[in-house]
This record gives sequence, structure tokens and C-alpha cells, in this order.
Amino acid sequence: DAGVIQSPRHEVTEMGQEVTLRCKPISGHNSLFWYRQTMMRGLELLIYFNNNVPIDDSGMPEDRFSAKMPNASFSTLKIQPSEPRDSAVYFCASSLGLGSAFFGQGTRLTVV
Amino acid sequence: ILNVEQSPQSLHVQEGDSTNFTCSFPSSNFYALHWYRWETAKSPEALFVMTLNGDEKKKGRISATLNTKEGYSYLYIKGSQPEDSATYLCAFRAGGYQKVTFGTGTKLQVIP
Repeated sequence: DAGVIQSPRHEVTEMGQEVTLRCKPISGHNSLFWYRQTMMRGLELLIYFNNNVPIDDSGMPEDRFSAKMPNASFSTLKIQPSEPRDSAVYFCASSLGLGSAFFGQGTRLTVV
Repeated sequence: ILNVEQSPQSLHVQEGDSTNFTCSFPSSNFYALHWYRWETAKSPEALFVMTLNGDEKKKGRISATLNTKEGYSYLYIKGSQPEDSATYLCAFRAGGYQKVTFGTGTKLQVIP
């Protein structure tokens, strides 16, 4: 397996634009997590899915953020409209049951 | 909000020295404690998952212990090497719940 695959690796966008981050979890994993890494707050959990169903989105900062998982092999995190303070590295991770999570390489988002 | 703390925040050791650091977590409703290794410009990589009080895990020169009654885990590195330089994260999972709360990490620098 190629591991968790995220795209794009880097994204630079202008304030106000819509940004969509993509994630392909490891085949067979049933939990998927979206994290954001910032200098100030470290690694924060934004949302996680179990069997494609959103379980806890309490970490999503505000209504501008939304996440979907239409099937077991794909998830998106959308920011609309984007703001400079959204600049961060966004990680997707997947796990099987309650085991350790496997992380993707991350998407570095810069909003100018 | 679950409080997961790691200490120290950062650490510099000489090559060949042994070192250890701490993760503190809530002692109630414990389910699992994860350790991850996070190298700069990469994604976190799972080291251990520990579930039982008194658990000890070992992987090469790295080992970890767990005390769920008092809410702490130690990570030990024997004979540190420059390639051990990374941020070491612990993550606490409560009561069978998929959500994990990460600590802010201990950044280790091994000086050749």
C-alpha cells in the first residue's frame, strides 16, 4: 500500500478563494482524521470519520470549514472562503479500529 | 478538553547519551496511549500503542513505559544518535473512543 495520500502537497491561494484538500486513506482502514498543524497550537484534530460517517467535528474552527467522505477511499476538506489565518499544514491520517494512525505527507496551505 | 502534557518541550543531548521524556494524561477513562516520532518536513510515524497499566514496549534503542493509575508514560532512548533527532508526540485515547488528543511534543536534538 502506498500509505495515506494527500493532494496537493502545497497550495498557495488568495484570500477569499475556495480551497479543497484531498485525502486517500489506506485501503481497509475505517477511521479517517483531518489535523491542522500550527506553530501556536501544535497538532489539532479538526474532524474525524468512522466508516465514512463524521463522528466528531468539534475541532472545525468555523463554518468556513467543511469535510466530506463520500466513500471509504476518499475525503475532502474544504475552506470557503479562505483567510490568511488558515495558513498551516493540514494532515490526513487513517487507522483501523483503535490502532495507531498513519499520516499522509500533509498539505502546506498558504493564504495570501 | 483533555489535558495531555509533555515535558520537556525541547532537549539537546550529546550523541551516545541516553535520555527520557514524559507524557502526562488524565488517569480516568484511559483506553490507549500512542507514541509518535515526527521528523522535520515529514509526517508523524507511529512508534508504540500502549493499553495496559505497566506495559513496556521496545523498538530498537527506544522503549516506553506506561502508568495508567497515575497518568504518565515515559519514552527512553538509549545511546542517542543524530538520526534520533525529531519531535516525539504522545497521544491519549479515552474510553474506546476513536478521538485522540495529542500532546505538544518534545523536540529532541542529538548533537554529534
